[in-house]
Amino acid sequence: AQSVTQLGSHVSVSEGALVLLRCNYSSSVPPYLFWYVQYPNQGLQLLLKYTSAATLVKGINGFEAEFKKSETSFHLTKPSAHMSDAAEYFCAVRGSGNTGKLIFGQGTTLQVKP
Amino acid sequence: EPEVTQTPSHQVTQMGQEVILRCVPISNHLYFYWYRQILGQKVEFLVSFYNNEISEKSEIFDDQFSVERPDGSNFTLKIRSTKLEDSAMYFCASSLGQGGNQPQHFGDGTRLSIL
Repeated sequence: AQSVTQLGSHVSVSEGALVLLRCNYSSSVPPYLFWYVQYPNQGLQLLLKYTSAATLVKGINGFEAEFKKSETSFHLTKPSAHMSDAAEYFCAVRGSGNTGKLIFGQGTTLQVKP
Repeated sequence: EPEVTQTPSHQVTQMGQEVILRCVPISNHLYFYWYRQILGQKVEFLVSFYNNEISEKSEIFDDQFSVERPDGSNFTLKIRSTKLEDSAMYFCASSLGQGGNQPQHFGDGTRLSIL
């Protein structure tokens, strides 16, 4: 069965610093992976998705993620954090079967300090 | 850009009462989902819906829950007799397809508080 683990429920960085949010997956089939962001009092917004076309995926707002099969990882990075990046970030994997459900990690809250 | 819309944004209900959460998916989408997020916990899949029937449901989605697409635009989640543990944020999502890389688009959620 598919599963996702996000290491670190809270990450704090200074404005301008590198952002690294960790995600490891478990999947019996080639995975389809997603990162979503949730701003306060809002829904989940798609940041980026891995589709097997390229291992380095670029998303919105300057975020990118690298798929590493050998490490079963799909970590999210951004070279320089902005205050507006403060939010909760969720890694998700497509579940098995044909229904398309998403299986989410526990989420990581990103705090950006001035 | 088309959006998934959910109403109400916040619902307060007495335990044992029925609630209906409403969603308007993106108009050309064919696959519909409900998820929930209990405060402080991960987002959990409840049910998926396609071609006017449930295609998959989780263990959480017991006989107290039902979904319906009563017309061409709305997608509803009904909880027949609410319990305290039903308090959560409920998210509706829709997608054009259910293939691997098809993203799901989420609404802003309905916060359900059971008293």
